[in-house]
Amino acid sequence: AQSVTQLDSQVPVFEEAPVELRCNYSSSVSVYLFWYVQYPNQGLQLLLKYLSGSTLVKGINGFEAEFNKSQTSFHLRKPSVHISDTAEYFCAVSALMDSSYKLIFGSGTRLLVRP
Amino acid sequence: DAGVIQSPRHEVTEMGQEVTLRCKPISGHDYLFWYRQTMMRGLELLIYFNNNVPIDDSGMPEDRFSAKMPNASFSTLKIQPSEPRDSAVYFCASSPESLAKNIQYFGAGTRLSVL
Repeated sequence: AQSVTQLDSQVPVFEEAPVELRCNYSSSVSVYLFWYVQYPNQGLQLLLKYLSGSTLVKGINGFEAEFNKSQTSFHLRKPSVHISDTAEYFCAVSALMDSSYKLIFGSGTRLLVRP
Repeated sequence: DAGVIQSPRHEVTEMGQEVTLRCKPISGHDYLFWYRQTMMRGLELLIYFNNNVPIDDSGMPEDRFSAKMPNASFSTLKIQPSEPRDSAVYFCASSPESLAKNIQYFGAGTRLSVL
């Protein structure tokens, strides 16, 4: 079965520091990979996606992620975070399951940016 | 575009009552999804529609849950009778893409509290 693992439930970091949010997936077939962000009391917003092509993907708000097929990882990075980046971040994989594609979400990582 | 619109934003009801959640997808999107988010189970796909037709309802927890999409611009998720364990945030999302690419746009969610 397909699964997405976000090992860190919470990542505290100081403002202007770099951050990496980890994501690993299990899949034996080609997948599409996504990062979504959820601000308090809001729905999820697409941050970036990997569908094909370059393994380094750039998204909104200065975030980027690198697809590593051999390590089945899709870690999210930002070189310098802002207070406004405090939110919950979800990694997701679109994979074929039971003859239809489904979006499987990780458990989320709460990024807490401190001044 | 106004995005995916959900109503109500908050719903408080008593155990045993019927609850109806509403969703208006983004115009032109062929796919509509209902999710449930809880602390314990994270984000779970309940059901999705393609061109108003339910395709996969394997995530619906039990017969108390039902969903309909009478036309391309409206969907409902109904719980009858409601139970305290149904308390969660329910999200609706829509997608214009082929299901494999699954770029979904989420509504702000309905926070349901069953007392």
